Amino acid sequence: GEDVEQSLFLSVREGDSSVINCTYTDSSSTYLYWYKQEPGAGLQLLTYIFSNMDMKQDQRLTVLLNKKDKHLSLRIADTQTGDSAIYFCAGANTDKLIFGTGTRLQVFP
Amino acid sequence: DTAVSQTPKYLVTQMGNDKSIKCEQNLGHDTMYWYKQDSKKFLKIMFSYNNKELIINETVPNRFSPKSPDKAHLNLHINSLELGDSAVYFCASSQDKTQYFGPGTRLLVL
Repeated sequence: GEDVEQSLFLSVREGDSSVINCTYTDSSSTYLYWYKQEPGAGLQLLTYIFSNMDMKQDQRLTVLLNKKDKHLSLRIADTQTGDSAIYFCAGANTDKLIFGTGTRLQVFP
Repeated sequence: DTAVSQTPKYLVTQMGNDKSIKCEQNLGHDTMYWYKQDSKKFLKIMFSYNNKELIINETVPNRFSPKSPDKAHLNLHINSLELGDSAVYFCASSQDKTQYFGPGTRLLVL
């Protein structure tokens, strides 16, 4: 089945860019997602990308997809303290979302 | 005007008890889901219902029984609770390819 991997932690200074990486095994994933989970809260959909796209930009967020390497990344420009959270990537080719292990982003002043 | 809501938010109970968690969505979506998030934050799908019919059942013990009285509601009943059931349970709904999550129910089994 699908396996989705992420690095566990990322620490950045406020104002810098953050890049969160994700690798997946199932090349049939047609949609790839990024969710944000703040402490004690639910999952907030940040953005998603279709598998036939290479890049998607949405304000401070840029998603890059390398289908050949099965690599997905989320870049957050001008990272703020409010961006501190756990970020999950997820893949789907049916209704079933397969989540990555989550990356805990810590932003320090 | 919460899109996906769950009750209760917190649930503390003894081993062996039976409990239910409720989920409601007011988005008009056809598909609803239950996910489990363990203490290491790992998220895994448990069930999916489309228009009140079970679509996905991911090898979940049969102590867990979802029920969908209508397409806006998906409840989760758990019999004979075990320590390992302690987790955060998230409900979600979708119409197209994007899923929207509820705030979660934090279950602690003592």
